[in-house]
Amino acid sequence: EIVLTQSPATLSLSPGERATLSCRASQSISNFLAWYQQKPGQAPRLLIYDASNRATGIPARFSGSGSGTDFTLTISSLEPEDFAVYYCQQRNDWPLTFGGGTKVEIK
Amino acid sequence: QVQLVQSGAEVKKPGASVKVSCKTSGYTFTSFGITWVRQAPGQGLEWMAWISTYNGNTNYAQKLQGRVTVTTDTSTSTAYMELRSLRSDDTAVYYCARDLGVTWRWFDPWGQGTLVTVSS
Repeated sequence: EIVLTQSPATLSLSPGERATLSCRASQSISNFLAWYQQKPGQAPRLLIYDASNRATGIPARFSGSGSGTDFTLTISSLEPEDFAVYYCQQRNDWPLTFGGGTKVEIK
Repeated sequence: QVQLVQSGAEVKKPGASVKVSCKTSGYTFTSFGITWVRQAPGQGLEWMAWISTYNGNTNYAQKLQGRVTVTTDTSTSTAYMELRSLRSDDTAVYYCARDLGVTWRWFDPWGQGTLVTVSS
């Protein structure tokens, strides 16, 4: 099973700041990585797939990069609605797996 | 618009079974796979299973193999997840989500979630 490790567990930032979230895979997964956002009491929402493609309707301030084992989600300038938990997910191999999540909180 | 509407909350006793439904609308059901993901209280996302609505092929998480079955009813565009021999650590919100394609394995949108509580 491919293990995804997200860091940091919590990121404390102010609106307008840049957020950089990391997801590391236990083995190479090419570019088969997605990022999801989850707000309290809501279902997750797809942000990025295939490491760098924004899903429909996702603002340009969200960007993804990386390949192989190291991936990054960047939020260029945090808006108030961006404070949430972010998960990465791989589809390189079964079983599909999620990372443990990074909480982006207001500083 | 694309919608996935799940059945309501359930309370079950240990050892029982639960079957959660996920009724879809707004798209061609057999053109997109469906996955099931659960989230225990205060915890992260755990992938459970995936089904091809096109040919019925399935994949399951190893830890749930033998206890979980996912099915579809193409006549009603509905997916189902049944979990048997429930334990207290199966208490979670269960989500269905639509694949971006037949077998893309990226998921959006998601259902609203179904809380399953296992308690004696």
